[in-house]
Amino acid sequence: EDKVVQSPLSLVVHEGDTVTLNCSYEVTNFRSLLWYKQEKKAPTFLFMLTSSGIEKKSGRLSSILDKKELFSILNITATQTGDSAVYLCAVNNAGNMLTFGGGTRLMVKP
Amino acid sequence: DGGITQSPKYLFRKEGQNVTLSCEQNLNHDAMYWYRQDPGQGLRLIYYSQIVNDFQKGDIAEGYSVSREKKESFPLTVTSAQKNPTAFYLCASSIDLGSPRFGPGTRLTVL
Repeated sequence: EDKVVQSPLSLVVHEGDTVTLNCSYEVTNFRSLLWYKQEKKAPTFLFMLTSSGIEKKSGRLSSILDKKELFSILNITATQTGDSAVYLCAVNNAGNMLTFGGGTRLMVKP
Repeated sequence: DGGITQSPKYLFRKEGQNVTLSCEQNLNHDAMYWYRQDPGQGLRLIYYSQIVNDFQKGDIAEGYSVSREKKESFPLTVTSAQKNPTAFYLCASSIDLGSPRFGPGTRLTVL
């Protein structure tokens, strides 16, 4: 059974701090790893990673995948209150099924 | 403007009733999914469909049923056999190899 574990469960920081969110996985026939941001409603897509060692970057957010050690990290620099959300990691297998982790709840205080 | 719509936004059900949640997409995506999210938890897969007239059980299919008669539509029925149906239900769709895109969700509450 595919498994995704995220850490920490929750995190409280102040504006301007840098945070690192972790995602480890066990999956049969790995295809890709995805990061989503969820505020009040539906998750919104952030990144899709398929290759080890290649950083994906979008503004203050970046992510990298290590397929040997089976984990990914999501970095957010210079955090803002608008970054407060639940961040979800998911892995996609060859059957195109997504397995989600439990999420990391980030709160950024002014 | 393409997207995924779910209705209703909020739904209240009495115990013992079946209810059907709607999911429609105009993105021409082949694959569609139903997830359940409980408070403070991640998403768990209920059912998914890769193509019209075909669907597969996910991790928590018991007490749920689906149909996929049209490419655009993937309705989910929560039956009376589902003992704890109160949750947030999310529908998603994707093209092959693409990242799934989510609908706005339906919040179901059992009274």
